[in-house]
Amino acid sequence: GQQLNQSPQSMFIQEGEDVSMNCTSSSIFNTWLWYKQEPGEGPVLLIALYKAGELTSNGRLTAQFGITRKDSFLNISASIPSDVGIYFCAGLSGNAGNMLTFGGGTRLMVKP
Amino acid sequence: DTAVSQTPKYLVTQMGNDKSIKCEQNLGHDTMYWYKQDSKKFLKIMFSYNNKELIINETVPNRFSPKSPDKAHLNLHINSLELGDSAVYFCASSLRVTGELFFGEGSRLTVL
Repeated sequence: GQQLNQSPQSMFIQEGEDVSMNCTSSSIFNTWLWYKQEPGEGPVLLIALYKAGELTSNGRLTAQFGITRKDSFLNISASIPSDVGIYFCAGLSGNAGNMLTFGGGTRLMVKP
Repeated sequence: DTAVSQTPKYLVTQMGNDKSIKCEQNLGHDTMYWYKQDSKKFLKIMFSYNNKELIINETVPNRFSPKSPDKAHLNLHINSLELGDSAVYFCASSLRVTGELFFGEGSRLTVL
């Protein structure tokens, strides 16, 4: 089946630092989504990407749909303590019953 | 108003029991899902319903039976609970099969 490799698995950074994480696949995706999950909550959609090469921002978050359609990147600038959580990438290929495939998550910890 | 709501939020029960988790969405979406999140936070799809009809049924034991009385509701019934069923179960919905998912807050099931 399709798999998404998300890295890094975890990050422990200082408040104010920028953060980068990425997701790669051996398959092509038509849509990339980035979610954030806080403790005790469900994943919340942050950014949706629909076109190869697309760069989209949401506040301090910026995500890019890789030109090969096999990867995506999420950057967080000037991190703050409330950025703590698990960030998931998810891809939709249009195959496999249009099932959304999730990466394994990047656990972000921010030290004030 | 909560968009995707699921009850109960916590469920502790003994092995062998039968339990249900309910989910309702008020977003007017056509498609609803059940995901299982294990202790390593990996999100795995279990079922997907579109307009009350089952469209995805991943390799889930037949002790798990979803029921969709209408397109705003998707309930999950689990028979003969086992220790390995302990996890957080998330309900989600999307406007269409290929759309972005909106998640509920999760139901943490603990089987003793």
